[in-house]
Amino acid sequence: GENVEQHPSTLSVQEGDSAVIKCTYSDSASNYFPWYKQELGKRPQLIIDIRSNVGEKKDQRIAVTLNKTAKHFSLHITETQPEDSAVYFCAASLVGVRIEKLVFGQGTRLTINP
Amino acid sequence: EAGVVQSPRYKIIEKKQPVAFWCNPISGHNTLYWYRQNLGQGPELLIRYENEEAVDDSQLPKDRFSAERLKGVDSTLKIQPAELGDSAVYLCASSQAREETQYFGPGTRLLVL
Repeated sequence: GENVEQHPSTLSVQEGDSAVIKCTYSDSASNYFPWYKQELGKRPQLIIDIRSNVGEKKDQRIAVTLNKTAKHFSLHITETQPEDSAVYFCAASLVGVRIEKLVFGQGTRLTINP
Repeated sequence: EAGVVQSPRYKIIEKKQPVAFWCNPISGHNTLYWYRQNLGQGPELLIRYENEEAVDDSQLPKDRFSAERLKGVDSTLKIQPAELGDSAVYLCASSQAREETQYFGPGTRLLVL
């Protein structure tokens, strides 16, 4: 089955700097890669996702890149703000005739220092 | 649009006691998921429903866990009897049929003493 590895487990950056979180996956058939943000005690919320037919996707300060050959994808947050502090989870799934289960990474605790 | 609703939000029980969690998905969402999230870990799927049918329950510990989704809307997840290792956050999520985006509920934080 699919296995997703995420790193780093913790990341601390100065406000205004960029943050990068990386994930690798094992199943080359996976084609859907969402990123979730989870603030303390709250529900995971989808912030961006990418499908394997594109290599990069941007939404304001957030971008995700995908390298299918290497089987890794990354989340990039630019101009970080204190409200970006949270735990971020990557995930991978196969979406086709049916949708296979999402397999999550272990999470990255991002802290933005003012 | 109302999000996924779960109750209770917190539950403290003694080991060997039963416990049940309830989930109301987003209106119109046919697919419902139950996840368990251990402290410092990502969510892990326990069971997935397509309408009333459980289509993936391979990760559900069937000796003590059970779930149902009567009428294809609300769902309950039960643990009987609970063990210390069951302490975790139990998350419910839902999605539209044939859509991959999942929307999570706030979760139920379970503590087994």
